[in-house]
Amino acid sequence: DTAVSQTPKYLVTQMGNDKSIKCEQNLGHDTMYWYKQDSKKFLKIMFSYNNKELIINETVPNRFSPKSPDKAHLNLHINSLELGDSAVYFCASSQGTSGNTGELFFGEGSRLTVL
Amino acid sequence: QQQVKQSPQSLIVQKGGISIINCAYENTAFDYFPWYQQFPGKGPALLIAIRPDVSEKKEGRFTISFNKSAKQFSLHIMDSQPGDSATYFCAARVQAGANNLFFGTGTRLTVIP
Repeated sequence: DTAVSQTPKYLVTQMGNDKSIKCEQNLGHDTMYWYKQDSKKFLKIMFSYNNKELIINETVPNRFSPKSPDKAHLNLHINSLELGDSAVYFCASSQGTSGNTGELFFGEGSRLTVL
Repeated sequence: QQQVKQSPQSLIVQKGGISIINCAYENTAFDYFPWYQQFPGKGPALLIAIRPDVSEKKEGRFTISFNKSAKQFSLHIMDSQPGDSATYFCAARVQAGANNLFFGTGTRLTVIP
């Protein structure tokens, strides 16, 4: 049983297109995240939702829009894709946001390539 | 601005040797310091974590050493095995925050048989 699943795993698209990545977790967690990992492996948080409410919104272009229809899902929509958006996008979830319960469970990532 | 500085960028160790990865931070509001392990094509997974009121935590072959006054912490992997070959990330979290983890830049560990 996959705990945090993302689709698609690979995405190749042209500059200027709009694309979405979907994420679902079956761990019963109340908090979900999107992280971006660039070509140098640097991991940076983009967004976090707690009980469907946006709680972290890092400095990300507004072409990126997250949507959480319920606690178990967090989707990422990207408009007008640019070359610099090429990266691996990781979805993650956690139960709670503090204390020792803050362990993040990551999905396997969605590799986005913009041509 | 890099909140957590990690070194080395890459590390090659013989099987059975000790792997040591170091991290440093400036923000004294950090209250939780986990290490994540990432294999190629996979997402990072929690390996071991420590809170600043403890100077050392050991789980099997993995030990975190924490120096609060120096604002440094390190991961030691004893008896390193080829299966430990992965990228390791240290991270830090702001106290009572929204679980915003700041990750180090990663260390690619290769254990040679």
